[in-house]
Amino acid sequence: DSGVTQTPKHLITATGQRVTLRCSPRSGDLSVYWYQQSLDQGLQFLIQYYNGEERAKGNILERFSAQQFPDLHSELNLSSLELGDSALYFCASSVSGRDTEAFFGQGTRLTVV
Amino acid sequence: AQTVTQSQPEMSVQEAETVTLSCTYDTSESDYYLFWYKQPPSRQMILVIRQEAYKQQNATENRFSVNFQKAAKSFSLKISDSQLGDAAMYFCAYRSDRGGSEKLVFGKGTKLTVNP
Repeated sequence: DSGVTQTPKHLITATGQRVTLRCSPRSGDLSVYWYQQSLDQGLQFLIQYYNGEERAKGNILERFSAQQFPDLHSELNLSSLELGDSALYFCASSVSGRDTEAFFGQGTRLTVV
Repeated sequence: AQTVTQSQPEMSVQEAETVTLSCTYDTSESDYYLFWYKQPPSRQMILVIRQEAYKQQNATENRFSVNFQKAAKSFSLKISDSQLGDAAMYFCAYRSDRGGSEKLVFGKGTKLTVNP
């Protein structure tokens, strides 16, 4: 158990809908990262938050947004869903800074039908 | 932008034997970190080993070791005495040490099968 909790584990929804994925980082970790794992794109970095502020942005679509709350949990919002958004979404957390490592949650499997 | 390449989509090894997974990367930076992650069928991403670019000594964790060739930008993973539980996808990852973000750049992965 990495200490990073993601809910839900599985999600099935229809095209055009909006979903929210939730992540609780390890105790004491200030950074949260979101990654998308799909068959065609592999593992791609989406966005990072550090202590409530956006720190880095990757290949995140405009239809996607995220935030980190004062209690440090994070949510990834996906809207106007398309079939191609079906993927495994990982959250990771770290203390941040040099000589640190990220710990991953078990992921949320999103299926858009 | 940094890129990570894993040229072996699939590898197989006999139980108790040794296997080496390849990884190359492209960067103009001199300070960075390299990682190998394991993803078993449970989907959990598990850190296997980490290498700091400023360290010349290759990292070792029990049966797992790396061959880090900085000039060649190569970072291979050797698994000794392979066990059935080593069967998984293995991902090589790069992280800049420039500060600002600790995001990981992943390769496409190598699927390792361990034959009994």
